[in-house]
Amino acid sequence: EIVLTQSPGTLSLSPGERATLSCRASQTVSSKYLAWYQQRPGQAPRLLIYGASNRATGIPDRFSGSGSGTDFTLAISRLEPEDCAVYYCQYYSSSPRYAFGQGTKLEIK
Amino acid sequence: DVQLLESGGGLEQPGGSLRLSCAASGFTFSTYTMSWVRQAPGKGLEWVSVISGAGDITYYPDSVKGRFTIFRDNSKNTLYLQMNTLRADDTAVYFCTTILNGAFDYWGQGTLVTVSS
Repeated sequence: EIVLTQSPGTLSLSPGERATLSCRASQTVSSKYLAWYQQRPGQAPRLLIYGASNRATGIPDRFSGSGSGTDFTLAISRLEPEDCAVYYCQYYSSSPRYAFGQGTKLEIK
Repeated sequence: DVQLLESGGGLEQPGGSLRLSCAASGFTFSTYTMSWVRQAPGKGLEWVSVISGAGDITYYPDSVKGRFTIFRDNSKNTLYLQMNTLRADDTAVYFCTTILNGAFDYWGQGTLVTVSS
């Protein structure tokens, strides 16, 4: 069973800065099935990135995904107060199994 | 616009049952794989079940297998989750989602299930 580990647990940055969030898989996974989500306080999660690097509909280009193998990254440039949220990575395997990372909390100072 | 509206949550005693519903609109429901994902209070996300567009293929994680049943009525554009033998650790907000290429692309707002005596 694949385990996704996200780091850091909490990230505190100022508006205008760039955030880099990490997701590490316990074994090599297909980039095709790696996704990222944003969950703002009190809201449902929202798909940001699918296939490791493809932005979902309506997602601004400040959000970008990259990576392969076991290491994946979500980058958010030009941080805005509305980016304050918990971010989750997720992987799909053909069993099927859907695994989520434990989340990274992004705080905007 | 895609809309998913969950209902049916509430307070239930351990060992009891609940049925959740998800009314879908804004897309061709019968062509989409659908899923339930839950989130315990203050915790992360956990996948609970998945069903094919035709409703003939379902999968569950071990944590709910044998207790939960996902099913759908494509004539009513509605997804369901029958939850039996509820336990305290089933307490969570339950989200209905669409699935595309292994990603949960649209989410409802969720319905809260509380299991407590």
